[in-house]
Amino acid sequence: NAGVTQTPKFRVLKTGQSMTLLCAQDMNHEYMYWYRQDPGMGLRLIHYSVGEGTTAKGEVPDGYNVSRLKKQNFLLGLESAAPSQTSVYFCASSPGTEKFVNSPLHFGNGTRLTVT
Amino acid sequence: AQSVTQLDSHVSVSEGTPVLLRCNYSSSYSPSLFWYVQHPNKGLQLLLKYTSAATLVKGINGFEAEFKKSETSFHLTKPSAHMSDAAEYFCVVSFSGTYKYIFGTGTRLKVLA
Repeated sequence: NAGVTQTPKFRVLKTGQSMTLLCAQDMNHEYMYWYRQDPGMGLRLIHYSVGEGTTAKGEVPDGYNVSRLKKQNFLLGLESAAPSQTSVYFCASSPGTEKFVNSPLHFGNGTRLTVT
Repeated sequence: AQSVTQLDSHVSVSEGTPVLLRCNYSSSYSPSLFWYVQHPNKGLQLLLKYTSAATLVKGINGFEAEFKKSETSFHLTKPSAHMSDAAEYFCVVSFSGTYKYIFGTGTRLKVLA
């Protein structure tokens, strides 16, 4: 059981280049999330999805776009990378709410992105 | 407003001594609470969760946490620290029926030999 898989693990981009980060989960989870992690700031939510075909903005969505065409996949795109987007990106998934209780998030191993 | 505060950004303990990592939350609703651990250059691993059952929650690797509603706290403890416990720990709060998971800014635990 792979859980949450992120690709790639590392990437270096030049300013203005574009790329897509892929997240795949095999747990049939409804909710999926993209976070960025920067030193001293914890994890900040970029975008999230509560089901196939739906996406919504989190607290730091500028410069990013997402798509969830299939339930198991959640893609994060950077159209024109900037040095401020240098960060570690984590994808997470959750079954959602069951019996009024929120389940824990399951995380991928992260993508370390450097924009020069 | 809903928030979570980790009271210490860094904690140092000697190997074999107790660990206490503090977390407070604010919310008008009944929360689900989680502690995650992140070892260097790794993803986040669930240590334990509180979801309105027993207030004392046991997790992996000897960690436990106690939910205290009157103090709006969910502190993480371990009786005896091990070198392998050196990592960053995140307290996370979520609320029934919402998509939101709110992260604390993390506590970096250092274990001294």
